[in-house]
Amino acid sequence: QVHLVQSGTEVKKPGSSVKVSCKASGGTFSNMGISWVRQAPGQGLEWVGGIIPIFNTTNYAQKFRGRVTVAADESTSTVYMELSGLRSDDTAVYYCARISGLRTHWFDPWGQGTLVTVSS
Amino acid sequence: IQMTQSPSSLSASVGDRVTLTCRAGQSVGYHLNWYQLKPGKAPKLLIYAASTLQSGVPSRFSGTGSGTDFTLTISSLQPEDFATYYCQQTYSTPAWTFGRGTKVEVK
Repeated sequence: QVHLVQSGTEVKKPGSSVKVSCKASGGTFSNMGISWVRQAPGQGLEWVGGIIPIFNTTNYAQKFRGRVTVAADESTSTVYMELSGLRSDDTAVYYCARISGLRTHWFDPWGQGTLVTVSS
Repeated sequence: IQMTQSPSSLSASVGDRVTLTCRAGQSVGYHLNWYQLKPGKAPKLLIYAASTLQSGVPSRFSGTGSGTDFTLTISSLQPEDFATYYCQQTYSTPAWTFGRGTKVEVK
């Protein structure tokens, strides 16, 4: 059974970068697509981007392209999401989730979430 | 693909039958999932492929629809079901968009 554990709370200054990790256990990491989703305060869920390590492919939501990088370290079964040029509206809980399914896809399970606060 | 959920919130009582709606801006076939989100907790998958109940999810939850119109029904609302529900399309790989959510509140 796959289990995802994320890194802890981050407080960052505007203009800086943040790197959030998501460590997977209980499955074959290289076969495991991982997506990142965020929820800003009072807002809904927003897909940020994702990676499929076996194909070494990454995809990002258009609004984050140029600012976000998702990478995988197979040696530690960990996926990282780095967001640069942080703004106050990047304050959110960031979740990683496994991309499940073959002919169609869904997100399950999810990590516990990482709160990123951007404040001067 | 834009996903529109309605209503944005609703008030209901324990035991009520509740129906939530999700409409896609274009056909997404059966590539539609439903999640439940509670404050301070990770999202929980309820339904995938429009109508398949995720393992471990109570059978009072059901999903129907295809193409552009989908519904999530809770047949008899329980206290633990007060939460916000999101639909998600996974048709337009990989830009998988969510709706803005429907909050189910206590009446």
